[in-house]
Amino acid sequence: AQSVAQPEDQVNVAEGNPLTVKCTYSVSGNPYLFWYVQYPNRGLQFLLKYITGDNLVKGSYGFEAEFNKSQTSFHLKKPSALVSDSALYFCAVPMDSSYKLIFGSGTRLLVRP
Amino acid sequence: NAGVTQTPKFRVLKTGQSMTLLCAQDMNHEYMYWYRQDPGMGLRLIHYSVGEGTTAKGEVPDGYNVSRLKKQNFLLGLESAAPSQTSVYFCASSGPRGGLTGTDTQYFGPGTRLTVL
Repeated sequence: AQSVAQPEDQVNVAEGNPLTVKCTYSVSGNPYLFWYVQYPNRGLQFLLKYITGDNLVKGSYGFEAEFNKSQTSFHLKKPSALVSDSALYFCAVPMDSSYKLIFGSGTRLLVRP
Repeated sequence: NAGVTQTPKFRVLKTGQSMTLLCAQDMNHEYMYWYRQDPGMGLRLIHYSVGEGTTAKGEVPDGYNVSRLKKQNFLLGLESAAPSQTSVYFCASSGPRGGLTGTDTQYFGPGTRLTVL
């Protein structure tokens, strides 16, 4: 069965420092992986996805994610964090290669000034 | 383009009351979904639809019913609300856009915060 895990409930980082939000996956077949962000009192917004090709995927708001097949990871990164990046981040994978998504439990990112 | 909209934004119910949540999308998407979000549990799929007139159960369907009479609308009903249904409910929609199955991006509404007393 497909699944994703986000091992950290919360990540704290100072503004201007690089940030990483971790995600590991377990899938059979080709892994399609997604990152979504949820700002306070808002719905989820799509950040980026990996389908195939280049292991480094670039997305919205300066975020990128690195697909690592050997470590079964898809960590979200940003070279320089902003206070406005503070939000809840979700990793997701399609359920059995269908159009339905399975979400991780979420990681809260706090960027302090 | 309004994207995905949800009505209402907030609602408080008493145990046993019923209500319907409305989701509308203007992107001509075939697929629509209802999720619930609870602290520490991410989003869980309640029901989904792959087209007008079709619905199917997701991960946590008990206590909910849905209908998709029009392509742009997806309704979620609670016939007899229970405190365990206190949650934030999100609607989403997606393609397909002719690509590989499982690669479509889902677009989310702003959510409905429901409290059942």
